[in-house]
Amino acid sequence: DQQVKQNSPSLSVQEGRISILNCDYTNSMFDYFLWYKKYPAEGPTFLISISSIKDKNEDGRFTVFLNKSAKHLSLHIVPSQPGDSAVYFCAASDDRDDKIIFGKGTRLHILP
Amino acid sequence: KAGVTQTPRYLIKTRGQQVTLSCSPISGHRSVSWYQQTPGQGLQFLFEYFSETQRNKGNFPGRFSGRQFSNSRSEMNVSTLELGDSALYLCASSFGGGRPSADTQYFGPGTRLTVL
Repeated sequence: DQQVKQNSPSLSVQEGRISILNCDYTNSMFDYFLWYKKYPAEGPTFLISISSIKDKNEDGRFTVFLNKSAKHLSLHIVPSQPGDSAVYFCAASDDRDDKIIFGKGTRLHILP
Repeated sequence: KAGVTQTPRYLIKTRGQQVTLSCSPISGHRSVSWYQQTPGQGLQFLFEYFSETQRNKGNFPGRFSGRQFSNSRSEMNVSTLELGDSALYLCASSFGGGRPSADTQYFGPGTRLTVL
């Protein structure tokens, strides 16, 4: 039973446009959410996080939005650049269990 | 500052054998977590060590074990290997001390294990 779901295995976006990566979760106890980016042959790299007390967190070109009632979060990348082509993992944890549960990832292709 | 290093990078074993993977965290980091990545299941949490103690554990059988040394280096061991253990094993380190999942984790490049 997948608690963190990334329903789009891949996404293609034109360079300069906005990339929107989506993530749904089922566990209402999750209170901390993270996004990681992974290039081939490298480990994941932390991108941005958000606590459940917020609904938005911004860091440069990256913004994460959290909709608790819909159990949905999204990562916006504006503007998209060629170096953003990678696999993006959404992850979540709850204070009680404190294990990070990852989604299966979305492969983002930035087209020239 | 050197990143997280994992050795070996690639490993081929046969069913029934055992394997030990090693992880050296970033200097000053006291927490080490291990993950298994497979195409079908994505990234799954194995266990986390802090100050030589296992602080958390995922839902993996007892064939998967780990330990952490006083210098924060960590090893994980898989005994009686099965075909399904073929995966990329990732290690991540963080400062530790606070809530583990909220502590930024820095991942190594992983060890690719193939079980034949």
